[in-house]
Amino acid sequence: NAGVTQTPKFQVLKTGQSMTLQCAQDMNHNSMYWYRQDPGMGLRLIYYSASEGTTDKGEVPNGYNVSRLNKREFSLRLESAAPSQTSVYFCASSEGVWNEKLFFGSGTQLSVL
Amino acid sequence: SQQGEEDPQALSIQEGENATMNCSYKTSINNLQWYRQNSGRGLVHLILIRSNEREKHSGRLRVTLDTSKKSSSLLITASRAADTASYFCARSGGSNYKLTFGKGTLLTVNP
Repeated sequence: NAGVTQTPKFQVLKTGQSMTLQCAQDMNHNSMYWYRQDPGMGLRLIYYSASEGTTDKGEVPNGYNVSRLNKREFSLRLESAAPSQTSVYFCASSEGVWNEKLFFGSGTQLSVL
Repeated sequence: SQQGEEDPQALSIQEGENATMNCSYKTSINNLQWYRQNSGRGLVHLILIRSNEREKHSGRLRVTLDTSKKSSSLLITASRAADTASYFCARSGGSNYKLTFGKGTLLTVNP
């Protein structure tokens, strides 16, 4: 099993450009999450999807949108990238809706110039 | 802040020694989870302890939880160089069980 797969692994954007980070899991998990990790800040939740067809804001949702395309896929979109969005982005999934035992992807390192 | 906070921020030990990391939190929890992150990789779940549990073991890992002190500790016994990583505690709390992560402890195990 591949687990949680994120693409791309690296991306450089110019301010104002848009892009979509893709995430797919093959574990038949119900819940999926997007986090960002910044030095000295730990992981912060951007958006999550407790089940197919539902999405909710996390701690830092401004500047992002998400789509739970189906049970497997959960994408994160930056409509107009800003330097403050330079970060490492992680997608994760878990079997239930109770945020237990998250499985993480390997991350996307995004730089916005 | 409702985050779990780890202590120390960094820890350097020799192979074979034990490593202890602590996590404190401010509000009540449903469970507390520990994760490991190797450099440049995603997080890996290590162990989960529920609010009504006091101690759990998994291999060389031992986690304790003291809800009266709002703190947890992760003990890694007989450490190996491969244990070098950042360790995060994550607290699950509130009616929606949202998970919030601390800033991590960087553990370096020297051969």
